[in-house]
Amino acid sequence: AQTVTQSQPEMSVQEAETVTLSCTYDTSENNYYLFWYKQPPSRQMILVIRQEAYKQQNATENRFSVNFQKAAKSFSLKISDSQLGDTAMYFCAFMMRATTSGTYKYIFGTGTRLKVLA
Amino acid sequence: DTGVSQDPRHKITKRGQNVTFRCDPISEHNRLYWYRQTLGQGPEFLTYFQNEAQLEKSRLLSDRFSAERPKGSFSTLEIQRTEQGDSAMYLCASSSKVAGGHREQFFGPGTRLTVL
Repeated sequence: AQTVTQSQPEMSVQEAETVTLSCTYDTSENNYYLFWYKQPPSRQMILVIRQEAYKQQNATENRFSVNFQKAAKSFSLKISDSQLGDTAMYFCAFMMRATTSGTYKYIFGTGTRLKVLA
Repeated sequence: DTGVSQDPRHKITKRGQNVTFRCDPISEHNRLYWYRQTLGQGPEFLTYFQNEAQLEKSRLLSDRFSAERPKGSFSTLEIQRTEQGDSAMYLCASSSKVAGGHREQFFGPGTRLTVL
């Protein structure tokens, strides 16, 4: 069975500093997608960044980048130049289509609450 | 169209009552998803529609839960004979098969259900 683990329930970072959120996952499938979602206190989930497992190059979106280690099944998110607006819950998520059944699996981690301090 | 909308935003009900939630996806999106999120947890997948067809159902979707998307646009999620364990945030998301597909889901603000 697929699992997604976020081992850091809470983190804090000073404004303008860099922070890294950890995520590990487990799957026997080879083709899948990994995501980081942000859920601000207003609770509407927003996609931050996406990584296709078949791509070796790490995805980047402005101040957000990932360190994707496929063999280690690790998918961390780095936020550079942290801003107060980055304060939110961050969820790591996994999506795949099972090759045998054709069904889709969507699995979220339990989240990391990030607080950016002024 | 500014995004996925859900109604109501909050619902308080007594145990044993039926409740129905509505989700309006982004207009050109043909895929629609329902998730449940309890406090301190990430969203858990419940079900997925492509147009009006319900293609996936999680084991979490017990017999008391039913979801519909009759015209391939808005969707409803009904919970019959609610239990206290049903208290959660119910999230809806949509995506476009053409643009991004399952990889680009847009979430609504959610409906928070409290069962007394």
